[in-house]
Amino acid sequence: AQSVTQPDIHITVSEGASLELRCNYSYGATPYLFWYVQSPGQGLQLLLKYFSGDTLVQGIKGFEAEFKRSQSSFNLRKPSVHWSDAAEYFCAEPLYNTDKLIFGTGTRLQVFP
Amino acid sequence: DTGVSQNPRHKITKRGQNVTFRCDPISEHNRLYWYRQTLGQGPEFLTYFQNEAQLEKSRLLSDRFSAERPKGSFSTLEIQRTEQGDSAMYLCASSLSVAAANYGYTFGSGTRLTVV
Repeated sequence: AQSVTQPDIHITVSEGASLELRCNYSYGATPYLFWYVQSPGQGLQLLLKYFSGDTLVQGIKGFEAEFKRSQSSFNLRKPSVHWSDAAEYFCAEPLYNTDKLIFGTGTRLQVFP
Repeated sequence: DTGVSQNPRHKITKRGQNVTFRCDPISEHNRLYWYRQTLGQGPEFLTYFQNEAQLEKSRLLSDRFSAERPKGSFSTLEIQRTEQGDSAMYLCASSLSVAAANYGYTFGSGTRLTVV
């Protein structure tokens, strides 16, 4: 079955450190890929999306993600994390031939001062 | 435009009671989606509408759940005879076009339901 995998349940980083959150997708013919962020008690905010073209995608809040077809990955990165980045991050892609999104289980980011 | 609006933000109810949630999508969006998110999980699809027509319902949506979008604008999600397993965040999203999943939805802030 089609799936999105986020191997890291919980990541802790110090403020100012770099960050990489991992995501692997299973349906890769023409992938559309997304990263969403969810602050505690809030809904989902779209950080960035990949359709085609340049494999390095820039998003909001200083985030970027790199699409690597050979590794079926779409990892999210940020060079310097701020305390306000503490949240849960979800990777998602459309379920094949539907208008539904399937999500990974999320990675909770904790930022220490 | 204020984005996708969901009410209430939080709802605590006793087991066996009925609850109803409301979602107001972005005004020009003709597609509206409901997702459910349980603790420690990503959102899971429940159902979606194209204008007032409900196009698909997930198997997660038992017969205690019903969703409507009577005039193709706002939508309601009702849960009858709530159970503790219904405790979750209920997320609404909207989009403008077909194949919207390929371009990303706009989500609301969600309604957190706690069944005690």
